[in-house]
Amino acid sequence: GAVVSQHPSRVICKSGTSVKIECRSLDFQATTMFWYRQFPKQSLMLMATSNEGSKATYEQGVEKDKFLINHASLTLSTLTVTSAHPEDSSFYICSARKGPAVGETQYFGPGTRLLVL
Amino acid sequence: QQQVKQSPQSLIVQKGGIPIINCAYENTAFDYFPWYQQFPGKGPALLIAIRPDVSEKKEGRFTISFNKSAKQFSLHIMDSQPGDSATYFCAASGETSGSRLTFGEGTQLTVNP
Repeated sequence: GAVVSQHPSRVICKSGTSVKIECRSLDFQATTMFWYRQFPKQSLMLMATSNEGSKATYEQGVEKDKFLINHASLTLSTLTVTSAHPEDSSFYICSARKGPAVGETQYFGPGTRLLVL
Repeated sequence: QQQVKQSPQSLIVQKGGIPIINCAYENTAFDYFPWYQQFPGKGPALLIAIRPDVSEKKEGRFTISFNKSAKQFSLHIMDSQPGDSATYFCAASGETSGSRLTFGEGTQLTVNP
């Protein structure tokens, strides 16, 4: 199998605080992980591509200083939402690519629901 | 050119029916076309995927039809069940996009008992 976990599954925080979300590939090594954001009844929007040991590549319009991504090992990537505000409330989903080839399948985590009050 | 257009936005069928969801793409460099199923509050789960060297792929009750010349692909769900009620996303990627998936807008499928 190819299992990807995320922690926490839900988080509520006050405006101005920072929140860290973890994404782990449990039974495979993932050289590349992806972070998505999804608003209700909308499609997934790619935020950034994270390669192990290097800086993340952010999509146009995504603030890299606000959404800090660290991919310190082949099984763990973290997304930190810094100085969160209510408009950052969303469903954040990570995925991991199994295998080094570009066309390899992406497996998604269960998502993290963030609510900023 | 990176867009993937998906239709319909929503679909209601009776149990046993065959819902069909269509996607069209523009980028001829795309060479990997997966379909994902997402239940409310959960992450997407890979259903089935196809590459352009075949015109059809079947896995269980799910079939992808692929028309390379028309740049279209579709998902057929045979003998649909109420448990298939979910949102379905098509996606596409290619080497030029570094395996970044471009998603369709999603189709909310409801299968009535």
